Amino acid sequence: RKEVEQDPGPFNVPEGATVAFNCTYSNSASQSFFWYRQDCRKEPKLLMSVYSSGNEDGRFTAQLNRASQYISLLIRDSKLSDSATYLCVVNNRDTGFQKLVFGTGTRLLVSP
Amino acid sequence: NAGVTQTPKFQVLKTGQSMTLQCAQDMNHNSMYWYRQDPGMGLRLIYYSASEGTTDKGEVPNGYNVSRLNKREFSLRLESAAPSQTSVYFCASTLRGTSSGNTIYFGEGSWLTVV
Repeated sequence: RKEVEQDPGPFNVPEGATVAFNCTYSNSASQSFFWYRQDCRKEPKLLMSVYSSGNEDGRFTAQLNRASQYISLLIRDSKLSDSATYLCVVNNRDTGFQKLVFGTGTRLLVSP
Repeated sequence: NAGVTQTPKFQVLKTGQSMTLQCAQDMNHNSMYWYRQDPGMGLRLIYYSASEGTTDKGEVPNGYNVSRLNKREFSLRLESAAPSQTSVYFCASTLRGTSSGNTIYFGEGSWLTVV
């Protein structure tokens, strides 16, 4: 079983739609959680951290459920520019050093 | 403001050849990383350097070596390239570790093909 699992998609949505991605992680000791965005043939970039209380950044809302070990990302009013792959990332402490574990990503395609 | 710079961007190697991927960051970060990204696998950590003078194996270190030349530079060497090492390689850095608040910054990637 992968440490971080995501639906690979693609999710095809029209502009203005609301879309939600889920992610599950297997290590109950995971300490920090993030969503990264990766455009085609580009490097990943931090979209937002995910906090237990849930957090919002403009059209993006992230939620964390530690009991069920899943993380979600909600995108409202989708824009064409939101088309990208969204990576779910958790931070684990491994033999004293923290390391990031990346999901394989969920691809989003927003169409006019 | 360069951030993390890695070279080369594209490289084709023959099986058995060696090469070094170079990486430099100008953000005065302590920790540096090398990842590879393959379809359906996500990014996987090859080696990391928690601070200048230290290097440690990550998840998939076999076939690779690294050198933390100084605080700025962290190179990845393939001693005898194999087709299984065909991948996209990302160098990254953080101020100190990867806990919340320590954003990881990636280079633009190096596309390596081994034939």
